[in-house]
This record gives sequence, C-alpha cells and structure tokens, in this order.
Amino acid sequence: DQQVKQNSPSLSVQEGRISILNCDYTNSMFDYFLWYKKYPAEGPTFLISISSIKDKNEDGRFTVFLNKSAKHLSLHIVPSQPGDSAVYFCAASGMDSNYQLIWGAGTKLIIKP
Amino acid sequence: DSGVTQTPKHLITATGQRVTLRCSPRSGDLSVYWYQQSLDQGLQFLIQYYNGEERAKGNILERFSAQQFPDLHSELNLSSLELGDSALYFCASSTLITGGTDTQYFGPGTRLTVL
Repeated sequence: DQQVKQNSPSLSVQEGRISILNCDYTNSMFDYFLWYKKYPAEGPTFLISISSIKDKNEDGRFTVFLNKSAKHLSLHIVPSQPGDSAVYFCAASGMDSNYQLIWGAGTKLIIKP
Repeated sequence: DSGVTQTPKHLITATGQRVTLRCSPRSGDLSVYWYQQSLDQGLQFLIQYYNGEERAKGNILERFSAQQFPDLHSELNLSSLELGDSALYFCASSTLITGGTDTQYFGPGTRLTVL
C-alpha cells in the first residue's frame, strides 16, 4: 500500500516557466512533508519542507503548498532552470511511521532550453 | 558533497553470497539511516541507528542486519542474497534522533547487483 504517491513519473517544462510537481498521501497522521532532489549517481539532497500547521513554505525559487483536506502537496519551481533537471522525491512522516520518512516513487523533471 | 561516504560504489555478487556495505556519516551526526531503492521505486527505509543503538526498524528482511560502531560509522550486512536484492542502497545521516523531521544527508549510494 503506497502511502505517498507521485503519479507523474516524468514532467517536461520549458526553461523560465513554472514547474509544478505533485504528491498525494493517504495517511492523515502525516504531519511533516519534505521534498528531496536527486541527480544521477548521487544521493538525494534536501530541498524544502513543510509542517502540517502551515499551508505554504517558500525558499527562493521553490515553494511548497500543502492542502491537508485533499491530502495533497505540490512543489513549485519558478523560474525553472536547466540545473533543476533531476528526480524529485516527496516524503512524509508522522507518528504512525515513528517519524521515519515514507517516500514517493519520484518524478523526473526535464527542463528544456 | 554531503559529507556522507559510502563504500563500495558498485558491488556485483552471486546469489547465496553475503556482502557488507559501509557508511561514514557527516562529522557530528549521530543518526545513521539505511535505505533501499529498487528500480523505479521510492526509497524504502530499512533501519536507523542513533549513537550506536538501534532506533527504528522499517522493512528490513531478517537476512539483513546492521550495526553502528563507536566511531559512528555503520555497516549493512546482506546475506543469502537473492536476485531481488539487487538495488541501490543509500546511507543517510542526521543530527537529531527524529529522522522524519530532521534534514537527512545522503551518501552517493552503493549499487548492488546479484547475478
């Protein structure tokens, strides 16, 4: 049973435009959400996080939105740059998972020049 | 560079064999996590150690075991290997004991191929 789902295996976006990556979760006990970015042959790198008491968190070009009622979060990247091409993982944690991270399968983002 | 090192980078072995993967955490980090990533899937949490003690267990098979040594490096032992154990194995470290709310720093991974 996948508790964290990233339904788009890949996404292609023009350089300079907005990239929107989506993530859905099923466990209402999750209260902390993170996005990690992964380049080939490297481990994942932390990007941005949000706790369930907020609905938005912003860090430079990256903004994460959380919709608790829909159990949905999204990562917006504006403007998209070639270096943003990577696999993006959504992860969630909460009491149910003993605060260990439950990961989505990832979305491969390709930024076209 | 995350500061987390993993050796070896690649490992090719046969079914039934035993291997050991090694991880050195970032300086000062007391928590070490092991993850498995099979093809086109998300990371599966295996086990966490905090300052030498097992802190949490995830979907770790009985054929797998881990430990964290006094110098805080960790080893993941995989035995009686099966074809399905072929995967990327990542180690991560963090400062705090609560891995899900703390930034985890990942090593580059060990790619295990079981033939």
